[in-house]
Amino acid sequence: NAGVTQTPKFQVLKTGQSMTLQCAQDMNHNSMYWYRQDPGMGLRLIYYSASEGTTDKGEVPNGYNVSRLNKREFSLRLESAAPSQTSVYFCASSDSATYEQYFGPGTRLTVT
Amino acid sequence: GEDVEQSLFLSVREGDSSVINCTYTDSSSTYLYWYKQEPGAGLQLLTYIFSNMDMKQDQRLTVLLNKKDKHLSLRIADTQTGDSAIYFCAESIGGFKTIFGAGTRLFVKA
Repeated sequence: NAGVTQTPKFQVLKTGQSMTLQCAQDMNHNSMYWYRQDPGMGLRLIYYSASEGTTDKGEVPNGYNVSRLNKREFSLRLESAAPSQTSVYFCASSDSATYEQYFGPGTRLTVT
Repeated sequence: GEDVEQSLFLSVREGDSSVINCTYTDSSSTYLYWYKQEPGAGLQLLTYIFSNMDMKQDQRLTVLLNKKDKHLSLRIADTQTGDSAIYFCAESIGGFKTIFGAGTRLFVKA
């Protein structure tokens, strides 16, 4: 039982490059989330997926796209990376009874 | 809009109690949470409280909720060096939307 896994752990991109961050959970949760964490700002929701087949924008969706590939997997894509997207990205999934969230270990992304 | 505020730093001596405070703005919160983040790791749920409760105790952790003042606190008894981490307060609004505070960095001095 691995919980929530994310790949890669670290990534350096040049401005304008694209990449996809992968996330998978094995807890049979319906809901999944992508957050970014910046110093002194807590976590900000980028996109979430309440259930398989649905996705919705969060607080800071600009510059990102998501795909809920199946119940287990939720990916985040940066089409044209910008230095402002340098951050730590966390994927999470949640229990639908109490909405407590289980987090992956994070992806540390630097855009130069 | 919705907001969750907490102080950024707290320093305590090993063996003392730590109290981390949080205020929130949305009175429609259903659940309020405390998460812990250790260096280089994701957030881990410590405990949560349903909005119609005043207090919840779980071993060394005590959560107090004052709905009138929209104030949440986390008390850690007998604080240990292993408790050094960042603690996030969060509120759940309408199910899928969770608002996180900026986190309180707890330093425990031996």
